Amino acid sequence: QVQLGESGGGVVQPGRSLRLSCEASGFTFNTFGMHWVRQAPGKGLEWVAMISYDGYKKHYADSVKGRFTISRDNSKNTIYLQMNSLSSEDTAIYYCAKTIVGAQTAFDHWGQGTLVTVSS
Amino acid sequence: EVVLTQSPGTLSLSPGERATLSCRASQSITSGYLAWYQQKAGQAPRLVVYGISFRAAGIPDRFSGSGSGTDFTLTISRLEPEDVAVYYCQHYGTSPPTWTFGQGTKVEIK
Repeated sequence: QVQLGESGGGVVQPGRSLRLSCEASGFTFNTFGMHWVRQAPGKGLEWVAMISYDGYKKHYADSVKGRFTISRDNSKNTIYLQMNSLSSEDTAIYYCAKTIVGAQTAFDHWGQGTLVTVSS
Repeated sequence: EVVLTQSPGTLSLSPGERATLSCRASQSITSGYLAWYQQKAGQAPRLVVYGISFRAAGIPDRFSGSGSGTDFTLTISRLEPEDVAVYYCQHYGTSPPTWTFGQGTKVEIK
């Protein structure tokens, strides 16, 4: 079965950096686009970034453009999110999510998330 | 960019009742790229419906999606206690590619 496992979250000071990882299993990883979606405490869902199956296409939400970078290593079945210049507004649970079969329109599997807290 | 507005904010119903959740888009969605997710407390979201009306794998048939243009609906025909959750609608826009969520509707049991 499909499994997604995020790691790398923690407490970080404003202005600092953090890198999240998401290891996948149970499907042919190098044929699916992958996403990061976040959820601030007590708030709704916000899409953050997407990377195509081959890593060549990347898209970002305006709120993170220029600060966050999504990447993937298909040899390790893993995607990453490099987060720079963090602020308190980036405090959230970060989920990785798999693109639905046959399209990139929705997310059919999600990890359990990793919590990022930006605080001094 | 399409903005999705969900209503009501909270829906409180008795078991066995019909739940109707609304998602209104700021402009017409002609692509059919509208999905719904269920998020139970302390859990990750789960895909319920995609492509407006296609149930995801493992979703009971009491869940159904419908709509067109700017108005979309998720219906739970007979509410069960395990359906208590926050439900989000989501749209995929193509130019540029963006994935947008509504603010959510909380479904409670009376």
